[in-house]
Amino acid sequence: SQTIHQWPATLVQPVGSPLSLECTVEGTSNPNLYWYRQAAGRGLQLLFYSVGIGQISSEVPQNLSASRPQDRQFILSSKKLLLSDSGFYLCAWNRPSYEQYFGPGTRLTVT
Amino acid sequence: GESVGLHLPTLSVQEGDNSIINCAYSNSASDYFIWYKQESGKGPQFIIDIRSNMDKRQGQRVTVLLNKTVKHLSLQIAATQPGDSAVYFCAEKKGQAGTALIFGKGTTLSVSS
Repeated sequence: SQTIHQWPATLVQPVGSPLSLECTVEGTSNPNLYWYRQAAGRGLQLLFYSVGIGQISSEVPQNLSASRPQDRQFILSSKKLLLSDSGFYLCAWNRPSYEQYFGPGTRLTVT
Repeated sequence: GESVGLHLPTLSVQEGDNSIINCAYSNSASDYFIWYKQESGKGPQFIIDIRSNMDKRQGQRVTVLLNKTVKHLSLQIAATQPGDSAVYFCAEKKGQAGTALIFGKGTTLSVSS
């Protein structure tokens, strides 16, 4: 069976510090991968998606970036965090044209 | 532009009642819709999906109805239980590559016993 992992589970970072969130998927190959952000009490906003290694599509211009160094690894990064970057970050995967499965999320608080 | 929205931000029901959560979408080209359940502090959990060539699909205690004429989607939960309390999101598929989804804002379902 497939599983998706995210870490860390929670993170508190000062404004201006860098960020690196990691997501890995097990039990499948060549998945589509996604990063979403969810502000408190809000819906999910798609940030990035990837259909293959090194292929990244950005949905929202911002100070975040994503990379896919390996088939089942998806990384969300920032060089300098803003207060507005606080939120719940979710990684998801799917097979093309099928439902997406979400990881447990990372709660990021920028202080 | 494209958007997916829900009619009501909150819904309160009694245990054992049937719940209906509604969603309106604006992109008539969308061909795939999903309902997710999200409990506090957790990632969304897939409930049920439906493709545009269908009007209805049933799962265990859940039914999704799709009305393409008025671009309306609903999730029906039979015999609602306290464990059903969560935020429910509808999502529509955008585009071909990557099947990226657009999510609505969510409806918070509260079940009282």
